[in-house]
Amino acid sequence: AQSVTQLGSHVSVSEGALVLLRCNYSSSVPPYLFWYVQYPNQGLQLLLKYTSAATLVKGINGFEAEFKKSETSFHLTKPSAHMSDAAEYFCAVANRDDKIIFGKGTRLHILP
Amino acid sequence: NAGVTQTPKFQVLKTGQSMTLQCAQDMNHNSMYWYRQDPGMGLRLIYYSASEGTTDKGEVPNGYNVSRLNKREFSLRLESAAPSQTSVYFCASSPQGGRSTGELFFGEGSRLTVL
Repeated sequence: AQSVTQLGSHVSVSEGALVLLRCNYSSSVPPYLFWYVQYPNQGLQLLLKYTSAATLVKGINGFEAEFKKSETSFHLTKPSAHMSDAAEYFCAVANRDDKIIFGKGTRLHILP
Repeated sequence: NAGVTQTPKFQVLKTGQSMTLQCAQDMNHNSMYWYRQDPGMGLRLIYYSASEGTTDKGEVPNGYNVSRLNKREFSLRLESAAPSQTSVYFCASSPQGGRSTGELFFGEGSRLTVL
């Protein structure tokens, strides 16, 4: 079964700095990959998804992710962090049987 | 538009008690999911239903049963609750399965404590 690994359970960046959240996948077939965000006491919402159409995927709130097959990575970036970006971020993969499996999450802290 | 509705939002049980978490969606989605969220563990899939009348085990199905009552409703039952089942439970739905659209629509969660 396919899976994803998120590097770093907590990441801190200063407001205005680059945000980089790391995700690596394991897959023997072209993967379907996603990033979700969870704000405190809420469910998750989709930020962006990769379904093999384009390697650079743009999402909501200024986030984007680049699919790199050679590195089996799908890292999430944002050029300039905002205080409102503080949340937990989850990378996920859709398996062949259509189940969606999540990584363990990375909590993003924004420093003033 | 309600989206995905879960009940109850909070529940405290004693070890050995049973209970059912209810989930309903009004978006005419085919696929429905139950996840549990624990600190440091992310979301783990308990059960998945691709369509009305079908269910499939996820990563952590032990101790749980599910029923896809109709297209709208997908319930999760704990027959004999254990402290290890203390968690936040999320129901989600999707128009089709993961490789078709991938977008899950989540409920607000149900916080369960087992003493």
